[in-house]
Amino acid sequence: EVQLVQSGAEVKKPGESLKISCKGTGYTFTNYWVGWVRQMPGQGLEWMGSIYPDDSDARYGPSFEGQVTISADKSINTAYLQWNILQASDTAIYYCARQINWNYDYWGQGTLVTVSS
Amino acid sequence: QSALTQPPSASGSPGQSVTISCTGTSSDVGAYHYVSWYQQLPGKAPKLILYEVNKRPSGVPDRFSGSKSGNTASLTVSGLQAEDEADYYCSSYAGRNKRVFGGGTKVTVL
Repeated sequence: EVQLVQSGAEVKKPGESLKISCKGTGYTFTNYWVGWVRQMPGQGLEWMGSIYPDDSDARYGPSFEGQVTISADKSINTAYLQWNILQASDTAIYYCARQINWNYDYWGQGTLVTVSS
Repeated sequence: QSALTQPPSASGSPGQSVTISCTGTSSDVGAYHYVSWYQQLPGKAPKLILYEVNKRPSGVPDRFSGSKSGNTASLTVSGLQAEDEADYYCSSYAGRNKRVFGGGTKVTVL
């Protein structure tokens, strides 16, 4: 069974750093792109970027380039989303999803990130 | 790369049909056949319900159908049921392995 299991909820202060994870199981992790999607409170879905775990080729949405880093460790079938300096506006649910033929067919359960002083 | 345009809300009575539009540009919806639709129930992760404009993943009822004309794609839910009440998002491939989502449409079953 294909599953994407994300790390747990985080509460951080502005200016802190954070790295959340997404572990893929039940499929060959290195054969599929993994995407990250943001959902701010009460808002819609925003594509942040994707990574191909086999070679760590990463692409970013224009609003997120330079703001976050997407990485992967294929030895443990895990993708990551990282911030160096969190802002209150980063408060959101972050989803990872497996990409197949330009679609996201399996999704993680979401990671709630709360940034508040 | 702007978000695709969807109406914020749509509604229908049980058994009726509702159609949601998704308007992009010649660089995304109009350029590729890779339009997908996602259903998000309250408090849940999105679920893929249509891909490549009109293909349904296994297990998705045939009440869900899709089409595309020019820069606009559409999702139709026929025979509306109470369980269809959710937020629906379109998404399109936008070249160079980039994607864009629509703003979402809240479907209410009256």
